[in-house]
Amino acid sequence: GAVVSQHPSRVICKSGTSVKIECRSLDFQATTMFWYRQFPKQSLMLMATSNEGSKATYEQGVEKDKFLINHASLTLSTLTVTSAHPEDSSFYICSASGGVSYNEQFFGPGTRLTVL
Amino acid sequence: AQTVTQSQPEMSVQEAETVTLSCTYDTSESDYYLFWYKQPPSRQMILVIRQEAYKQQNATENRFSVNFQKAAKSFSLKISDSQLGDAAMYFCAYRKSNNAGNMLTFGGGTRLMVKP
Repeated sequence: GAVVSQHPSRVICKSGTSVKIECRSLDFQATTMFWYRQFPKQSLMLMATSNEGSKATYEQGVEKDKFLINHASLTLSTLTVTSAHPEDSSFYICSASGGVSYNEQFFGPGTRLTVL
Repeated sequence: AQTVTQSQPEMSVQEAETVTLSCTYDTSESDYYLFWYKQPPSRQMILVIRQEAYKQQNATENRFSVNFQKAAKSFSLKISDSQLGDAAMYFCAYRKSNNAGNMLTFGGGTRLMVKP
């Protein structure tokens, strides 16, 4: 199946700094990418949907100025957590669909963010 | 809005036995897909099985099968001959239509424990 990677897998940062997480589709062109947030022992919560070359669509309650999403190419989307605070600590997962995988979303392995 | 409900936060099964995980959903759409995803301790989301709403036949994938009751809006997952490697979080998910660019709505998850 199609492969989606995320980088970094873990990141620890100080409060007030910004952190960028990359999501790449390795063997297909991802026209749509999704960003999820998962708290411990909870389900995945969709944060935003991004289509290549367009502005991301954010879910209700997700601050677009806080969580900047860029989907500038068909293989890369980035999530930047700006001015991170301890409450932003979470597990962030991306998924991608498009091309030959048009019928399915493929998930990245996730990024654990810890804000001190 | 679509909702997905998993009423069993935790389930336990003896190795080699059969277990059924429950899922109900609510939608007014006629064209949709249902999925079961597995999330092992690695946190990587793995697609277990999918069901197209227009198909009456229940989907099967080796030891995994579903009982899709469209009128009742029920979509349960049966795992036969349970193995230790089946221990994970299982999420039921709904997607409107055949377009993978549409968002997934996840249930709250069921933690499956497999006893040796």
